[in-house]
Amino acid sequence: EDQVTQSPEALRLQEGESSSLNCSYTVSGLRGLFWYRQDPGKGPEFLFTLYSAGEEKEKERLKATLTKKESFLHITAPKPEDSATYLCAVEGNEKLTFGTGTRLTIIP
Amino acid sequence: NAGVTQTPKFRVLKTGQSMTLLCAQDMNHEYMYWYRQDPGMGLRLIHYSVGEGTTAKGEVPDGYNVSRLKKQNFLLGLESAAPSQTSVYFCASYSWRGASEQYFGPGTRLTVT
Repeated sequence: EDQVTQSPEALRLQEGESSSLNCSYTVSGLRGLFWYRQDPGKGPEFLFTLYSAGEEKEKERLKATLTKKESFLHITAPKPEDSATYLCAVEGNEKLTFGTGTRLTIIP
Repeated sequence: NAGVTQTPKFRVLKTGQSMTLLCAQDMNHEYMYWYRQDPGMGLRLIHYSVGEGTTAKGEVPDGYNVSRLKKQNFLLGLESAAPSQTSVYFCASYSWRGASEQYFGPGTRLTVT
């Protein structure tokens, strides 16, 4: 059974204070690891897909990295508008298994 | 291009009532999914479909039924609602041909009293 664990559950940062979110996973045959952003009252919004260990992708202040056991979402010099819940998911056979998310709050 | 839409946005049901949630996508995606999201439990897959006329069970299928009569629509039915089905329901669609990402709808907030 595929499993995804995200940590921390919640993270409060000052504006400009860089940090990382962790996603640990176990999956039989990783087809892809996904990061999503979810704002309150809305559906998840796609950020990145990573396919193999060593792969990295960037978008604005976010950078996602992947190893054989975990993925990190690095946020550099965050702004208040980066506040959201960040979800990680792994792709197994035709479907995704999600973690419970990290609720990120950026304080001005 | 509306993407993935869900109706209704909100609904309150009494225990034992039935209802159908509608998901529609205009991206010609083959795969469609229904999830529920509860505090502290993340997104859990209820049912999914890999093509018109086909459906399969996900992680938490009990108490729900689905149908995919048309490629663009995926219906989620609750035959006899229970308070445990109070949740936010999300639909998603995906195409294995294009970029590997699931597109999500805005969600339906269902309360069963």
